[in-house]
Parts: sequence; structure tokens; C-alpha cells
Amino acid sequence: SQTIHQWPATLVQPVGSPLSLECTVEGTSNPNLYWYRQAAGRGLQLLFYSVGIGQISSEVPQNLSASRPQDRQFILSSKKLLLSDSGFYLCAWNRGTNQPQHFGDGTRLSIL
Amino acid sequence: DQQVKQNSPSLSVQEGRISILNCDYTNSMFDYFLWYKKYPAEGPTFLISISSIKDKNEDGRFTVFLNKSAKHLSLHIVPSQPGDSAVYFCAASPFGNEKLTFGTGTRLTIIP
Repeated sequence: SQTIHQWPATLVQPVGSPLSLECTVEGTSNPNLYWYRQAAGRGLQLLFYSVGIGQISSEVPQNLSASRPQDRQFILSSKKLLLSDSGFYLCAWNRGTNQPQHFGDGTRLSIL
Repeated sequence: DQQVKQNSPSLSVQEGRISILNCDYTNSMFDYFLWYKKYPAEGPTFLISISSIKDKNEDGRFTVFLNKSAKHLSLHIVPSQPGDSAVYFCAASPFGNEKLTFGTGTRLTIIP
């Protein structure tokens, strides 16, 4: 069966510090991968998605970037965090279009 | 512009009764719809989906109804159980598109 791992579960970072969140999927190959953010009291906002190694699509202009160095690894990064980057970050995968996305347990990011 | 709307932020239902969660959308290009359930501090869990060629899909206690002319879908849970207490999100995408647009969620509370 397929599993998705995200870490860390919680993270507290000072403003201006760098960020690296990692997501890996097991039990499948060539998945589509996604990064979402959920702000307090809001729905899930798609940040990035990838249909293959090195292929990244960005949905909203922001202070974040994403990379896919391996088939089942997706990384969310920032060089300098802003207060507005606080939120709940979720990684997801699916087998392709018109297939359900399956989510990891998320990372709660707090910026001080 | 909120293309997927869940106008009820919360809903309380007696255990054993039917829970009905509603979702409206504005983008006529959407033709694949999903419902997710989310517990606190966890990622959303996929429940059920429906494509626009159908108007109903059932999976156990969960049924999703789609009214394309009204751009409305609903999730019925029968009978409601205490473990159904969670936040429910609807999501939609155009056919052949990787990107899901989520609603803001409805918090369902099942009263024992």
C-alpha cells in the first residue's frame, strides 16, 4: 500500500530564517505531488504541484519555492521566512488527473 | 473569488440521524468533485468522489449528490456516528486538470 510521510510535525522558526519541509511517498512510482497551505479558518490553498522529477508548477506568487529531486520526494523551501508564512502545510499525492489526492499529516509552522 | 463555497461553517446532528453537508461552485468547467474529512492536526482523508457524468455516488454510509444545473453538490451521511465529528471539505477540478480547488470547510458535530 502507499504511504506519505511529512516532517517535521511542528516547527517554530524566527522571521528571516530559512525553511525546508520534506515529503516522501512510498509504494508507488511517478506520482503527482502537491504542496498546500491551510491558513487559520481557511480552506486549502494549492501552492505547488509536480508531475515529474524537476517539473514544478507554482500556483501563487510567494516567498516559497519547491523542488523534486527524486521521483517520490517533494521539498518546500524558503530562504527567508515572513510572518505571513505561518500556517499548516500539507503534502499530497495522486496517480494522475481525476484521481483522489491523498494527504500527509501536515506540518504546523509558526513564525516568531 | 471563491469558486467552491461551503456556506455553513458548522452543523450539529443527533447520532443516528442523517447529516447533510452542502457545497456550491461557480466554475462551469469543474467536472470532478470530492469530499474530504479532516480531524485536528491531521491531513484530510479522502471520502468519496463523483464525476459530472453521474448525479449520485454511494459508498457505505456516504452518498454524494451532484446537481449540475444548480452547480451544487451535497454529502449525506446515514446514520451519523460520533466518529463522524470532523471538518468536511468539498473540492473540485476541471476534467484532466491536476489542480483541486477546496471549499472552506464545514465542522460537523455529532451529538450522542
